[in-house]
Amino acid sequence: AQTVTQSQPEMSVQEAETVTLSCTYDTSENNYYLFWYKQPPSRQMILVIRQEAYKQQNATENRFSVNFQKAAKSFSLKISDSQLGDTAMYFCAFRGTGGSEKLVFGKGTKLTVNP
Amino acid sequence: DAGVIQSPRHEVTEMGQEVTLRCKPISGHNSLFWYRQTMMRGLELLIYFNNNVPIDDSGMPEDRFSAKMPNASFSTLKIQPSEPRDSAVYFCASETGRLNTEAFFGQGTRLTVV
Repeated sequence: AQTVTQSQPEMSVQEAETVTLSCTYDTSENNYYLFWYKQPPSRQMILVIRQEAYKQQNATENRFSVNFQKAAKSFSLKISDSQLGDTAMYFCAFRGTGGSEKLVFGKGTKLTVNP
Repeated sequence: DAGVIQSPRHEVTEMGQEVTLRCKPISGHNSLFWYRQTMMRGLELLIYFNNNVPIDDSGMPEDRFSAKMPNASFSTLKIQPSEPRDSAVYFCASETGRLNTEAFFGQGTRLTVV
């Protein structure tokens, strides 16, 4: 079974600085999809960024980018120019293509952006 | 589209009572998921449906939990009888069914069983 590990339960960063959240996963599949979701205090889960394993180029969405290392099974999220509104729980998620449609989530990292 | 709609937003009930959580997925989405979120266990998948058919219910913790999807626009998660350890936030999410697409989540139902 696939597992997703987020080793940093909590992190903090100063406004305007850069922070990287780590995520590793375990799978025997070659093709799969990876996601980062954000959950602000409002509780709403929002997609931040996604990566397809067969694409070597790292995904980027404005201030958010990933460092996808397939061989190492690592999928970290970098937030540049951190803003107060980035304060949230961040969840890494994995979806395989070997027959299961379900998303497997990590336990999350609580990020606090300090003014 | 209004997104995934869950009701109620908050539910407080006494131990032993039946609780029903409701979800309306996004129109046109073929897959629907029920998750439970707690501090200790994070986000756990309870069950998911594809085209209204339950595909994987291995995450349903006990027989006290049941879920139905009578049609493409409505699903329920029922707990009977409820216990204090069922207290959590329950999320419903829907997707188009294509693997590379995102799951759209509802606002969740915060359940407290006293």
